[in-house]
Amino acid sequence: GDSVTQMEGPVTLSEEAFLTINCTYTATGYPSLFWYVQYPGEGLQLLLKATKADDKGSNKGFEATYRKETTSFHLEKGSVQVSDSAVYFCALRSRNQAGTALIFGKGTTLSVSS
Amino acid sequence: DSGVTQTPKHLITATGQRVTLRCSPRSGDLSVYWYQQSLDQGLQFLIHYYNGEERAKGNILERFSAQQFPDLHSELNLSSLELGDSALYFCASSVEKAGRYNEQFFGPGTRLTVL
Repeated sequence: GDSVTQMEGPVTLSEEAFLTINCTYTATGYPSLFWYVQYPGEGLQLLLKATKADDKGSNKGFEATYRKETTSFHLEKGSVQVSDSAVYFCALRSRNQAGTALIFGKGTTLSVSS
Repeated sequence: DSGVTQTPKHLITATGQRVTLRCSPRSGDLSVYWYQQSLDQGLQFLIHYYNGEERAKGNILERFSAQQFPDLHSELNLSSLELGDSALYFCASSVEKAGRYNEQFFGPGTRLTVL
């Protein structure tokens, strides 16, 4: 079945460091890909998305590019802030059916210190 | 604030008991999804309802059931609770229009602790 694998954390960085969180997927067809963020004590928020190959999703300085050839959707940010400390989830949804549920990776905890 | 509300925020109960978690979707959203977040299993899809009808099931135990009412709110019923059912339960809603990207908006979750 479809699955998502993301790098295990925690990831600990200093403010203004470069961030990469790796995500790869296995899916039939061409899924839509997402990054969600969960701040402490809150629900998940959509951070960015890409719905087809070579699409780049971006938001709040974060970027991820849908790479079909490597089945990857790595999250990057050039300069992290303390406020970026959160858990980040990579997810996919099959494009073949409307209303299909999201399949999530295990999540990567990011901790940024000043 | 996503517009999705969940009650209660916290629930502490004993093994063998039954609880009901409630979710109110965003205004206009017809779909409700339930997810379970636990330390060992991560975030897993449980069940999806669309406009009152069950659409899909994921890794939902037989002891668990859900329904969506005419006003579109949904309830997740967990019975014969076990220690391993302790988790954060999220619901998400989506407008679900065919042919369009349908973002899922997540509620703040209900934290269930089974003692």
